Amino acid sequence: KAGVTQTPRYLIKTRGQQVTLSCSPISGHRSVSWYQQTPGQGLQFLFEYFSETQRNKGNFPGRFSGRQFSNSRSEMNVSTLELGDSALYLCASSFLQETQYFGPGTRLLVL
Amino acid sequence: DQQVKQNSPSLSVQEGRISILNCDYTNSMFDYFLWYKKYPAEGPTFLISISSIKDKNEDGRFTVFLNKSAKHLSLHIVPSQPGDSAVYFCAASSSGSARQLTFGSGTQLTVLP
Repeated sequence: KAGVTQTPRYLIKTRGQQVTLSCSPISGHRSVSWYQQTPGQGLQFLFEYFSETQRNKGNFPGRFSGRQFSNSRSEMNVSTLELGDSALYLCASSFLQETQYFGPGTRLLVL
Repeated sequence: DQQVKQNSPSLSVQEGRISILNCDYTNSMFDYFLWYKKYPAEGPTFLISISSIKDKNEDGRFTVFLNKSAKHLSLHIVPSQPGDSAVYFCAASSSGSARQLTFGSGTQLTVLP
């Protein structure tokens, strides 16, 4: 079974721009969660989607948003990029219980 | 307020010996715990998990122990291999928000040949 895939793997943007990241979960998984990893804050939860509905949200500003499609694929959007948004963005999918399986991540650099 | 803490940023162990990685938590609502292994610029790889109804779970060379009264868990790797060198993250979740993982800051394990 294919794992979680994320595109693109690397991205360079400038301040003020917006960015959209994509995640395809493991086949059959309906829950998709997003995390941000930075050297200063570590791994932090952004939000979780299940059956196209956001069920849970972390402590991030409204510039961070997401959505999930009927095939469980998910996208994450960050508007008005700031330098501090430079991070590794990770997507994870799960089927039952709490075990989440992570994708390889998208490395975003904001200049 | 760090709800999941890994107080040792790094650990070095000789190949073939036991590696013990520790994790403490403060939120008594946490009832499911996981360990992930991570290489730089890659996503975390799931290793092993444990529910709060258990105090031990084994999977091959990996064993996780949970001490609920002390709010402490540990990951034992026996025997340690050079390929185990990576950053290990402890994570926790509660039934109320099952898919929101709270991570520790990680421990860099180096297994010396």
